[in-house]
Amino acid sequence: QQQVKQSPQSLIVQKGGISIINCAYENTAFDYFPWYQQFPGKGPALLIAIRPDVSEKKEGRFTISFNKSAKQFSLHIMDSQPGDSATYFCAASLYGQNFVFGPGTRLSVLP
Amino acid sequence: GAVVSQHPSRVICKSGTSVKIECRSLDFQATTMFWYRQFPKQSLMLMATSNEGSKATYEQGVEKDKFLINHASLTLSTLTVTSAHPEDSSFYICSARATLGGYTFGSGTRLTVV
Repeated sequence: QQQVKQSPQSLIVQKGGISIINCAYENTAFDYFPWYQQFPGKGPALLIAIRPDVSEKKEGRFTISFNKSAKQFSLHIMDSQPGDSATYFCAASLYGQNFVFGPGTRLSVLP
Repeated sequence: GAVVSQHPSRVICKSGTSVKIECRSLDFQATTMFWYRQFPKQSLMLMATSNEGSKATYEQGVEKDKFLINHASLTLSTLTVTSAHPEDSSFYICSARATLGGYTFGSGTRLTVV
């Protein structure tokens, strides 16, 4: 019930391409869905987040698509750059509660 | 934006000793602090949740006597790994929830027990 699934485990994209990472959740009570970016040896940094009353949110090159009925959400990184190479975690939470993190996707953007 | 300062960033200690990790919210009040552990190439696993002035709530399988959490003020929470052993070597990360909502992660502490 609390699990968040994430795929793919790793992703290699050419510079300028689109990176797509997918997540699925089980608990329909979750009401906050953030994406975090983590570089080696650093803590996660919030990239973008969405609430279930919105189907899409865009911030710069980053877009979250949310499908409430399917209990799925995805991160799209447009015009991917080598500097985007990092591990990305999706997460889900109930407001005020701890996050449940997906297992992570290691993204490598080739120059 | 909100900043959580976590120290130390790296620590190496001998087996059997204790290590204290600090997380400070620099420009906001953190009503709740979450402590996570992350093993190499794995996701973040919640260890415990602490609210200012009250005892921490530990996740199943996390020894509360080994991982002491103190959240004495709205800007400071500490995690002490007592009698550390090599299997405690990991990346420890705190996350603070502000009184008005929003979550900010610390930069993490790499603990190596030798």
